[in-house]
Amino acid sequence: DAGVIQSPRHEVTEMGQEVTLRCKPISGHDYLFWYRQTMMRGLELLIYFNNNVPIDDSGMPEDRFSAKMPNASFSTLKIQPSEPRDSAVYFCASSFRLDWEGYTFGSGTRLTVV
Amino acid sequence: DQQVKQNSPSLSVQEGRISILNCDYTNSMFDYFLWYKKYPAEGPTFLISISSIKDKNEDGRFTVFLNKSAKHLSLHIVPSQPGDSAVYFCAARAGSARQLTFGSGTQLTVLP
Repeated sequence: DAGVIQSPRHEVTEMGQEVTLRCKPISGHDYLFWYRQTMMRGLELLIYFNNNVPIDDSGMPEDRFSAKMPNASFSTLKIQPSEPRDSAVYFCASSFRLDWEGYTFGSGTRLTVV
Repeated sequence: DQQVKQNSPSLSVQEGRISILNCDYTNSMFDYFLWYKKYPAEGPTFLISISSIKDKNEDGRFTVFLNKSAKHLSLHIVPSQPGDSAVYFCAARAGSARQLTFGSGTQLTVLP
């Protein structure tokens, strides 16, 4: 398996624009997580899905953020409109319900909003 | 308020010496703890874990110690190698919850 695949690797956009980050989890994994990494707060959980259903979105900063998982092999995180304070590295991770050793992370998307 | 804290943003050690990375938590419901390692431009990868029923877990050069009364855990790397230079994240989970709560990370630099 190629692991968790995220695209794009880097995204530079202007304030006010819509940004869509994409994630393909490992086949067979039934949990998918979106995290954001910043210098100040480290890795913050934004939202996670189980069997494509959002379970906890309490970490989503505000209504500008939305996430979807239309099927077991694809998820998106959308920011509309984007702001400079959204600049961070966004990670997607997936896991299998019987695996208690944590997640497999993707390589992340570095987002810069100017 | 951060429930998992790594108060040292960075740590430098000489090759061959011991590296000790520390982590504190505040949520008494946490009962499973993990350490992840992250290289630049890569996602974090699982390193070692410990359940709250234990106070020590060892895997090769890596040992994690848990002090439940102090709500403190530490990762020991002996001997440290230049390839260990990375950001180390402490993470915690409560019961059957699937989500992990991470700390802010510690940048370890092992000097040759």
